[in-house]
Amino acid sequence: QVTLRESGPALVKPTQTLTLTCTFSGFSLRTSGMCVSWIRQPPGKALEWLARIDWDDDKYYSTSLTTRLTISKDTSKNQVVLTMTNMNPVDTATYYCARTSFDSWSFDLWGRGTQVTVSS
Amino acid sequence: SYELTQPPSVSVSPGQTARITCSGDALTKQYVHWYQQKPGQAPALMIYQDSERPSGIPERFSGSSSGTTVTLTISGVQAEDEADYYCQSSDSSSNYYVVFGGGTKLTVL
Repeated sequence: QVTLRESGPALVKPTQTLTLTCTFSGFSLRTSGMCVSWIRQPPGKALEWLARIDWDDDKYYSTSLTTRLTISKDTSKNQVVLTMTNMNPVDTATYYCARTSFDSWSFDLWGRGTQVTVSS
Repeated sequence: SYELTQPPSVSVSPGQTARITCSGDALTKQYVHWYQQKPGQAPALMIYQDSERPSGIPERFSGSSSGTTVTLTISGVQAEDEADYYCQSSDSSSNYYVVFGGGTKLTVL
C-alpha cells in the first residue's frame, strides 16, 4: 500500500524559511521512474504545483517560485524535503506531496496535506 | 503564462450526465489529467492522459479530447460525486512544467 504523509510547522512568520517533509511508503525513490512532487492550495483557491524530484535526482521547479524553492530527497528514510524561503502571508496554504508519473506528470497518489499559515 | 480554463460551476440532477470542460491553446499537443477533491480531502486522480481511468475509479467517469478542449464526463451522476474537479496539464519542454485549471464545483441538485 502506497502512502504519503506531509509534516512541518503549522505556523511560520513572514520572512522565515519553511521546511516541509514528505514521508512515504510503498515505493522507493531508488526505483527508476519514481518521482515526488509538492503542490499547494491556498484556502478556497486552486491547486498550484511547486516542485518535483526524480529517482535520479533531477529536479524541477515552478517558474514563478524557483528562486525560493529547494527540493531534496533522503532515499534511506523515504523522505522528500521542500524548503521555501522568505515566506509571506500569501503563501498560506495546504501543502501536499504526491507521487508523480515520470512521463505524464500526473499525480496518482497524494498525502493528506499539511496546513501552513504565515502570520506574525 | 499558460492557462487552463474551466467553468466555475456545473449543476446536474442525480442520474443525469455532467460534463466539465477544460480549455487551453496547447491541449492539442498535451495530455490532461483530472482530479476530484471533496471538502477537507486531498485531490484524487480520476482520469489521466485525457481518457485513461486508474484502477478503482468507477466506469461512470470518462474523459475525451477534441482540439483545444478536454472534457470530463460523469454519467449517471450520484450524490457522492459532488466535489471540485481540477484539470491539469504539463509540458516539460516549455518554460512551465505543470498547470492546473481553476477548478469546477460540481453540484448535484
